Amino acid sequence: QQQVKQSPQSLIVQKGGISIINCAYENTAFDYFPWYQQFPGKGPALLIAIRPDVSEKKEGRFTISFNKSAKQFSLHIMDSQPGDSATYFCAASMRGQNFVFGPGTRLSVLP
Amino acid sequence: EAQVTQNPRYLITVTGKKLTVTCSQNMNHEYMSWYRQDPGLGLRQIYYSMNVEVTDKGDVPEGYKVSRKEKRNFPLILESPSPNQTSLYFCASSATGETQYFGPGTRLLVL
Repeated sequence: QQQVKQSPQSLIVQKGGISIINCAYENTAFDYFPWYQQFPGKGPALLIAIRPDVSEKKEGRFTISFNKSAKQFSLHIMDSQPGDSATYFCAASMRGQNFVFGPGTRLSVLP
Repeated sequence: EAQVTQNPRYLITVTGKKLTVTCSQNMNHEYMSWYRQDPGLGLRQIYYSMNVEVTDKGDVPEGYKVSRKEKRNFPLILESPSPNQTSLYFCASSATGETQYFGPGTRLLVL
């Protein structure tokens, strides 16, 4: 199965709170799991990525948690800021070729 | 400045009238890809190319053609556009097939 499921569809968080977005996949051949951030009118930009041999990766306020056995991964945004308001996409690929994206999560961080 | 450029940015056309959306990158990347973005569906890969003269189908290739005659260019061709190809299109490039750099997008309306 090539599908990547993503939830929630939209998320509203207060400034300083934690934003959590979840994704699930079926194809165990996927070996690269990036998260992209997209602002209105712009192309997506890579935020953070992980490989399945690692259970967690942190870059600043952004953390990916990866559960290989459950075939799930999530993005945590700590101390969420209004500037984080954007649409977030999880994705998965095999050998850096065929990429499959989730449907996206629209995050709004209230000031 | 390292970038991926797409032209045109906006295009309105009629059913059946052949069109080409150009994509160019100045980063000497091997890997290039085309996506379409539709509300609620995220980004779906149309075609990708691992190198010059090497292209492969993504998840939604029907109705599209691509060519990769030079490393820097990867045009998307719609031989006979139909209304269901109305969408936002993104080109992306990557050095390794992992971290992808997206262009600004081309919004296409087929009447």
